[in-house]
This record gives sequence, C-alpha cells and structure tokens, in this order.
Amino acid sequence: EAGVAQSPRYKIIEKRQSVAFWCNPISGHATLYWYQQILGQGPKLLIQFQNNGVVDDSQLPKDRFSAERLKGVDSTLKIQPAKLEDSAVYLCASSLDSNRGFETQYFGPGTRLLVL
Amino acid sequence: AQTVTQSQPEMSVQEAETVTLSCTYDTSESDYYLFWYKQPPSRQMILVIRQEAYKQQNATENRFSVNFQKAAKSFSLKISDSQLGDAAMYFCAYRSAILMATTDSWGKLQFGAGTQVVVTP
Repeated sequence: EAGVAQSPRYKIIEKRQSVAFWCNPISGHATLYWYQQILGQGPKLLIQFQNNGVVDDSQLPKDRFSAERLKGVDSTLKIQPAKLEDSAVYLCASSLDSNRGFETQYFGPGTRLLVL
Repeated sequence: AQTVTQSQPEMSVQEAETVTLSCTYDTSESDYYLFWYKQPPSRQMILVIRQEAYKQQNATENRFSVNFQKAAKSFSLKISDSQLGDAAMYFCAYRSAILMATTDSWGKLQFGAGTQVVVTP
C-alpha cells in the first residue's frame, strides 16, 4: 500500500513570496489533515478535510494560508504572502474516517519550508 | 483546551536497556484517546501505540508499553530492549472522544513538544 505522498520535500523562498504544497493521501482515506511543525515543537493542525469538505480550520491563518481538496482526493496548501515565521515542516496526514476518533493517522514525509 | 506536556526534551538509553518517556495532559473530559507517535530523522511520523481512556488495561505493542494513570492524567511510554532503530523524536498526543456538534467530528490531535530518544551502542 502506497503511503501519503508530499511534494516538494524542500522549499526555500523569500518573505512575501508565494508557495504551494501538494499532498496525495492513501487511497480510500476520507480524511486529510495539514499540520505545521515548527522546529522544537509538536505538529499543530492547520486544517482537516472530510472528503472535500472542511471539518476544522480554526488554526489556519486565513489571511495568508489557503487549502483545498479537489474531488476529495489530492490537496494543496498555499501560503501567500509568506512570512519568516512560516518556516516549518508542513506535514500531511490521512485517515480512513475521522468519525472514528481512535483512527490512526498516516503521515507523509513532510515539506520543509525555509522563508528568508 | 487540552494541553499535553512532555517534560523530558531528551532521553539517552543504551542498547538492550529500557527507557521510559513521560507525558502528562490536562483535560476536563472523561473520554478521550491517547497516542504515542515516533518521528525518525527522515521525518515520517508513525503511530507506536494508542490507548482508549475508558480501558483500564495498559496497551502493549511488542517492546512498547504504556503506563496509563487516568487520575493522575499521566501516559508514559516504556521502550524495552532498546534498539538503534528506536532513535527518534517521540510525541505524545491527545484526542477528545466527544463528538463535536459543530463539525460532526472528534477534536483535533493535540501533540506535546516531543522527547528525543538517543540510543547508544
């Protein structure tokens, strides 16, 4: 079974530029999550999709971050414009069905973003 | 809001020895789930072990076991017979088991800051 795929793996941009990350979840997984992991901290949920609908985006800085999940499969996370404090690893995860709180989340390798 | 605290930034253990990682959490809920995730240097996080709060029996997965103390709000992870491949960052996480009416979903995973496990030969 293929795991969660993410691209790119690394990205370096200057502040005020735009950047986009892509995630392909495990086939058949209804729920997709985007996390931000700042160095030295645990991951923080940015947004959660159930199929192609948003379940939770309470911690997404909506003035600069946006995310979409087309057709309930792939997802993109965009930052526009980027700030220095956005430097982090962006993790994508998926699970079979979020309506089972015990469900295992499967994580991708992450995209490491450095904003200069 | 729930908080998860991992008070040990780093723990060192020799191969074949045992190490225990501590985790405490703050919640007013009675029903929830607890998890330990492992993040090796390649950064792909994987689930190590999980526990349902209503179950008194401590979960075990091969060399990994937990000590769940609900009253003390403590959820420690014990790694027995440590191997070089156990070297990684370990995160404790909490998830509510109460369905949120606004989203028809369980709450988000709340992670601690992590404990780096170093395994020495």
